[in-house]
Amino acid sequence: QKEVEQNSGPLSVPEGAIASLNCTYSDRGSQSFFWYRQYSGKSPELIMSIYSNGDKEDGRFTAQLNKASQYVSLLIRDSQPSDSATYLCAVNRFRTNAGKSTFGDGTTLTVKP
Amino acid sequence: DTEVTQTPKHLVMGMTNKKSLKCEQHMGHRAMYWYKQKAKKPPELMFVYSYEKLSINESVPSRFSPECPNSSLLNLHLHALQPEDSALYLCASSQDLDYEQYFGPGTRLTVT
Repeated sequence: QKEVEQNSGPLSVPEGAIASLNCTYSDRGSQSFFWYRQYSGKSPELIMSIYSNGDKEDGRFTAQLNKASQYVSLLIRDSQPSDSATYLCAVNRFRTNAGKSTFGDGTTLTVKP
Repeated sequence: DTEVTQTPKHLVMGMTNKKSLKCEQHMGHRAMYWYKQKAKKPPELMFVYSYEKLSINESVPSRFSPECPNSSLLNLHLHALQPEDSALYLCASSQDLDYEQYFGPGTRLTVT
């Protein structure tokens, strides 16, 4: 079992729809969770960080964290073609192995006009 | 300003060359990272510096040598690389360990 698993993808949604990206993790000691967006040929860009259970909203993006079920998700509302990219989920443990982010393999999202 | 800069953008080097990658941030971040990324794969952690001290070395071959001259700068010295070391090398920084990371644009390295 991988430490961090994401939707296998690719994921395709029509413009204006909600895109739902999911991530599960195996280490119950994980404390900080991140979503990065990476366009082809570019570097990862931070979209959201979340540290406590519940929802966190930033514009069209909502991150949801459920530590009991060990999953974190990213919802993108009113999806735009410019959202087409690979989305990486990253998880940190804190204290033990401090500084090490474990990344999922990424989910490629295509938003069709 | 959440900018991390990296130079050079592209680098082609032979297997006997010595070169260095540079990374700089002026956000006052105290943690800095080197990652290697191959096509269609997630970033792979190489080194972590915290308060200018090496905190993590992910068993990286000695042909890669990191250096943190001060809190804003991070270098990666390269020597006797192999063709399989060709990849995108990413630098990142964060406020402290385990906080959100900000990535630089990367250096695309080709080893011939």
